[in-house]
Amino acid sequence: GAVVSQHPSWVICKSGTSVKIECRSLDFQATTMFWYRQFPKQSLMLMATSNEGSKATYEQGVEKDKFLINHASLTLSTLTVTSAHPEDSSFYICSASKGVGGYEQYFGPGTRLTVT
Amino acid sequence: GQSLEQPSEVTAVEGAIVQINCTYQTSGFYGLSWYQQHDGGAPTFLSYNGLDGLEETGRFSSFLSRSDSYGYLLLQELQMKDSASYFCAVMDSNYQLIWGAGTKLIIKP
Repeated sequence: GAVVSQHPSWVICKSGTSVKIECRSLDFQATTMFWYRQFPKQSLMLMATSNEGSKATYEQGVEKDKFLINHASLTLSTLTVTSAHPEDSSFYICSASKGVGGYEQYFGPGTRLTVT
Repeated sequence: GQSLEQPSEVTAVEGAIVQINCTYQTSGFYGLSWYQQHDGGAPTFLSYNGLDGLEETGRFSSFLSRSDSYGYLLLQELQMKDSASYFCAVMDSNYQLIWGAGTKLIIKP
């Protein structure tokens, strides 16, 4: 199998606070992990790609200081949304790949973030 | 630029066959993947084509023609539970997935 868990599944926070989302590969070692956000009825937007032990590679337009990504081990990556604002409200999804190429990605169940 | 084109919505009848097309224009190409996403859920991997031809997995098949920069997902014996959005995605030369906008499949009884 290839199971990816994500926690929390949903979170409501106040503007200005920070939220941490965890992504874990439960039964395999993930060479690469990806973080996406998705707005309703839209496609996935890749935010960043992270490899264990190295700095994440952020997509153009994604603020590194606002969306902190840490890939501490081959089974865990975290996304911290710092100083959250209502416009950060979205569905955040992580995925993990067993190999370097991410053509087959295993997705976590997603985290719905609402910033009030 | 990089782009993937797929229909925004397709409607079919339960028990029928439906084909969802995907054309792409990307910098480099390693393969075409298909993912299924139900409303409120996360995408799940369906298939991958690295070479030309047809890949079959149960009721789902996926086809690729690299010379035409074209692929499709074929769903047979449609069931109501197949109602979902289907995304094609291309692995480009940077080993990143470039995603299509998704096709919403509506199945009528």
